[in-house]
Amino acid sequence: DTEVTQTPKHLVMGMTNKKSLKCEQHMGHRAMYWYKQKAKKPPELMFVYSYEKLSINESVPSRFSPECPNSSLLNLHLHALQPEDSALYLCASSQVSGANVLTFGAGSRLTVL
Amino acid sequence: AQSVTQLDSHVSVSEGTPVLLRCNYSSSYSPSLFWYVQHPNKGLQLLLKYTSAATLVKGINGFEAEFKKSETSFHLTKPSAHMSDAAEYFCVVSSPTSGAGSYQLTFGKGTKLSVIP
Repeated sequence: DTEVTQTPKHLVMGMTNKKSLKCEQHMGHRAMYWYKQKAKKPPELMFVYSYEKLSINESVPSRFSPECPNSSLLNLHLHALQPEDSALYLCASSQVSGANVLTFGAGSRLTVL
Repeated sequence: AQSVTQLDSHVSVSEGTPVLLRCNYSSSYSPSLFWYVQHPNKGLQLLLKYTSAATLVKGINGFEAEFKKSETSFHLTKPSAHMSDAAEYFCVVSSPTSGAGSYQLTFGKGTKLSVIP
């Protein structure tokens, strides 16, 4: 299995809703990442988990709450989002040794109404 | 500090003609460089990577890139464009982070490749 799987592919939510994005990989990677990508822009790093511990938080607003329950799963909990949070959210993972390559999922397209 | 500059925001080629996407980087040490491709509404797919082995790197789908330290460049080429190559291409430099085994990617702004039939 060489994939990073993200669900759901599309999500529409209101500003008062609570929802979650899910990311799963079974490649034995111990680093996992959340990126946010706006249209016609490169991805921007949000969070990095290393060995299930949060190692980087790029000053992301608290309405985004990451969680890494085990080495294969990464969640992003969403609450009280704003319309400007609408974007493609990408999950990625990488090995802890060897080539420093990130494998990306297909993304979750979020629309906040 | 590291940075990446993609010299063209949009490149348009005819099907069957060569592709050249230009990238210059800045790094204080020997860099790890990548090209990723993103098709519309899709995630990023690794095309190729340079990690201080051979300076000419071959990737998937007939793409290759040459690392030139003297020019701080890592241009992406393909001899003959195909319609399926139409996508956004990102040049990326990677560096380790404080977290064990994790890496920080610095992205260029992207080059949109259009292929004309």
